Amino acid sequence: GAVVSQHPSRVICKSGTSVKIECRSLDFQATTMFWYRQFPKQSLMLMATSNEGSKATYEQGVEKDKFLINHASLTLSTLTVTSAHPEDSSFYICSAASAGGIIQETQYFGPGTRLLVL
Amino acid sequence: LAKTTQPISMDSYEGQEVNITCSHNNIATNDYITWYQQFPSQGPRFIIQGYKTKVTNEVASLFIPADRKSSTLSLPRVSLSDTAVYYCLVGDIAAGNKLTFGGGTRVLVKP
Repeated sequence: GAVVSQHPSRVICKSGTSVKIECRSLDFQATTMFWYRQFPKQSLMLMATSNEGSKATYEQGVEKDKFLINHASLTLSTLTVTSAHPEDSSFYICSAASAGGIIQETQYFGPGTRLLVL
Repeated sequence: LAKTTQPISMDSYEGQEVNITCSHNNIATNDYITWYQQFPSQGPRFIIQGYKTKVTNEVASLFIPADRKSSTLSLPRVSLSDTAVYYCLVGDIAAGNKLTFGGGTRVLVKP
């Protein structure tokens, strides 16, 4: 099946610093990638949708200047948490959707990145 | 986006069959039903997807009645490793269409 990777798997940073998380589709081309955030004991919450070569679409309440998303190629999207604060500590998960046709499933998810801001 | 309703939690025992029903009363014509499994600190893993009637794979079965307003995920002979949160999602599978996660069902398999 299709594989999506994320890097890093966990990161600890100081308050005020920026953190970049990479999401890669390893064996298929992803025209669309999604970024989710999940707090403990809660469900996944969609943050933004990114399409290759265009600006990301952010969900209501998600600050686009704080969570910078770049989808420069069909296999890579990055999420940068700028000026991170302790309340940004969470589990960040990306997913990728193929161009359609061959792969039946709607989205493939990465393993997630655990961010802890001190 | 169609809203889904699932039980918050279910307990079962090893070797039993687990059935999780999801309600999606306002499912649209183009919507498919997809189930994901999530273990703690991992990304969701695709289990099964269907549009109508019954779908079966090596992991689970998905039963969808004719009106498609609900669906039931069936996990045969569960083991301890099936303890996880199971999410039912409804949406158009065309690439680029976002999914909305509900609360999911926390399944605990006991020895």
